[in-house]
Amino acid sequence: GNSVTQMEGPVTLSEEAFLTINCTYTATGYPSLFWYVQYPGEGLQLLLKATKADDKGSNKGFEATYRKETTSFHLEKGSVQVSDSAVYFCALSDRGFGNEKLTFGTGTRLTIIP
Amino acid sequence: ETGVTQSPTHLIKTRGQQVTLRCSSQSGHNTVSWYQQALGQGPQFIFQYYREEENGRGNFPPRFSGLQFPNYSSELNVNALELDDSALYLCASSLGGGSDNEQFFGPGTRLTVL
Repeated sequence: GNSVTQMEGPVTLSEEAFLTINCTYTATGYPSLFWYVQYPGEGLQLLLKATKADDKGSNKGFEATYRKETTSFHLEKGSVQVSDSAVYFCALSDRGFGNEKLTFGTGTRLTIIP
Repeated sequence: ETGVTQSPTHLIKTRGQQVTLRCSSQSGHNTVSWYQQALGQGPQFIFQYYREEENGRGNFPPRFSGLQFPNYSSELNVNALELDDSALYLCASSLGGGSDNEQFFGPGTRLTVL
């Protein structure tokens, strides 16, 4: 079946550092790929997505590129802020639809220190 | 526009009891998905309802059941509670049919089974 493997956390960085959170996936067909963020006490929020190979999703300074050859969707940000502290989840949807069943990774807790 | 709301926020039950969790979908959305998020894990898909009919189910036993009402709000029922059912239960609403529409998550209900 489908699965998502994420870099284990927690990750602690200083403000303005470069961030990479690794994500690889196993899927049949042509999944869409997502990054969701969960702030303390809140539900998941979609951060960015990519629906086909070589697509780059971006939002709020975060970027991730859909790499079919390496089955990866790594999250990057050039300069993190304290407000980026949260748990980040990589996910995929089986048939590429954003409103269907999502398969999530285990999450990576990110803490940014001033 | 009101977002996805869930009730109650927290709940404590004992093993063997039954529980009902509630979700109000975002205005205009006709699809609700339920996820179970165990501590330190990513959300796991339980099932989805589209226009009051079950539209996909994950690997959960039949004691997990649901309903969707004509106003598209939804309930998750769990019978014969087990200790391993302790988790954060998330619901997500979206505009349905196979599409690229985003799922919007509620803040979750934290269930503790003693």
